[in-house]
Amino acid sequence: DIVMTQTPLSSPVTLGQPASISCRSSQSLVDSDGNTYLNWLQQRPGQPPRLLIYEISKRFSGVPDRFSGSGAGTDFTLKISRVEPEDVGVYYCMQATQFRTFGQGTKVEIK
Amino acid sequence: EVQLVESGGGLVKPGGSLRLSCAASGFTFSNAWMSWVRQAPGKGLEWVGRIKSKTDGGTTDFAVPVKGRFTISRDDSKDTLYLQMNSLKTEDTAVYYCTTWGVDYWGQGTLVTVSS
Repeated sequence: DIVMTQTPLSSPVTLGQPASISCRSSQSLVDSDGNTYLNWLQQRPGQPPRLLIYEISKRFSGVPDRFSGSGAGTDFTLKISRVEPEDVGVYYCMQATQFRTFGQGTKVEIK
Repeated sequence: EVQLVESGGGLVKPGGSLRLSCAASGFTFSNAWMSWVRQAPGKGLEWVGRIKSKTDGGTTDFAVPVKGRFTISRDDSKDTLYLQMNSLKTEDTAVYYCTTWGVDYWGQGTLVTVSS
């Protein structure tokens, strides 16, 4: 099984400041079709998860452009350029190359 | 608009069974691969299993903790996905989410509590 490891697990941020979350996979996420199936999910308090970013850097429909994804192979990053109040929640990386596995989650909260 | 609505959760005793349903709309369900993911209270996300579309064979795959106890099926005439859970254990207590497979849309989830 592919293991996903996120850092940090908690990220207190100031409103309007950037935030960054890292995710590392235990093996390459490059699929046989050449694509890399690494997604980022957001789970606001009391809500189900929702897809933010897919295939490393593609923003899902309706996702603000302050969210961006980058990386390759086994190392990936989610960045929020300027944190807003509605960004509070838990963020998960998820690999979709070999079934599904998730990182432990990173809690983003306002300082 | 894609909508996934889970139902069927509740309280069940250890060793018991429960069937969850997921009603889908807003996309061509018969062409879609579908999945179940769960989240124990206060914990992270855990993939449960997947079913392919019938045109792709309709086969299923499961995570190790549920293999042999859970089955996934689909009724394309009703645009509905099912999760049959047997031999339930206390550690199966979780919110169960139905998701599309590919670009993952998520339902609101249904809570399953396994307790005596």
